[in-house]
Amino acid sequence: DQQVKQNSPSLSVQEGRISILNCDYTNSMFDYFLWYKKYPAEGPTFLISISSIKDKNEDGRFTVFLNKSAKHLSLHIVPSQPGDSAVYFCAATSGTYKYIFGTGTRLKVLA
Amino acid sequence: NAGVTQTPKFRVLKTGQSMTLLCAQDMNHEYMYWYRQDPGMGLRLIHYSVGEGTTAKGEVPDGYNVSRLKKQNFLLGLESAAPSQTSVYFCASRLTGGRYEQYFGPGTRLTVT
Repeated sequence: DQQVKQNSPSLSVQEGRISILNCDYTNSMFDYFLWYKKYPAEGPTFLISISSIKDKNEDGRFTVFLNKSAKHLSLHIVPSQPGDSAVYFCAATSGTYKYIFGTGTRLKVLA
Repeated sequence: NAGVTQTPKFRVLKTGQSMTLLCAQDMNHEYMYWYRQDPGMGLRLIHYSVGEGTTAKGEVPDGYNVSRLKKQNFLLGLESAAPSQTSVYFCASRLTGGRYEQYFGPGTRLTVT
């Protein structure tokens, strides 16, 4: 039972355009969501997060949107840069110690 | 400030051998985690610890043991390695309170033949 799903394994976007990465979840008890970025041969690094009491959080070029009724969150990167090419994981937690991660989306930003 | 470090970076084991992976963090974080990452599976939680001297099972704990004798260290042990334990292992830590982001180490690539 996959509680956090990233249905797009990969995404290609032109440099300067918007990248939209999606994540769906099934557990309505999740109350905090995070996005991580991972380069090859490195550990994931935290990118941005959102609490379930909000529907949007921005940090520079990165914005996360949360639609609780649809149990859906998305990460927008504007403008996309070649250095953004990486695997992006979404994760969810219910405020306990455990996190559930999606399977990741590989983003390729084309110069 | 090194953050989260993992030792070793690579290891090849034969079936039945044992080994210990070491995770160390210098951020005074209370919570520490061990994950494994397999192709198409995302990150799955093996064990975690909410403080020195405490450990708990995650999603996939079978075949692994852990210890947290010091706050800054979290050890993952494989007593009798199996090919199914071939994976990339990540350690992570985080603060208590309202900060939920985890800080990850660079990973250990383990191959069991």
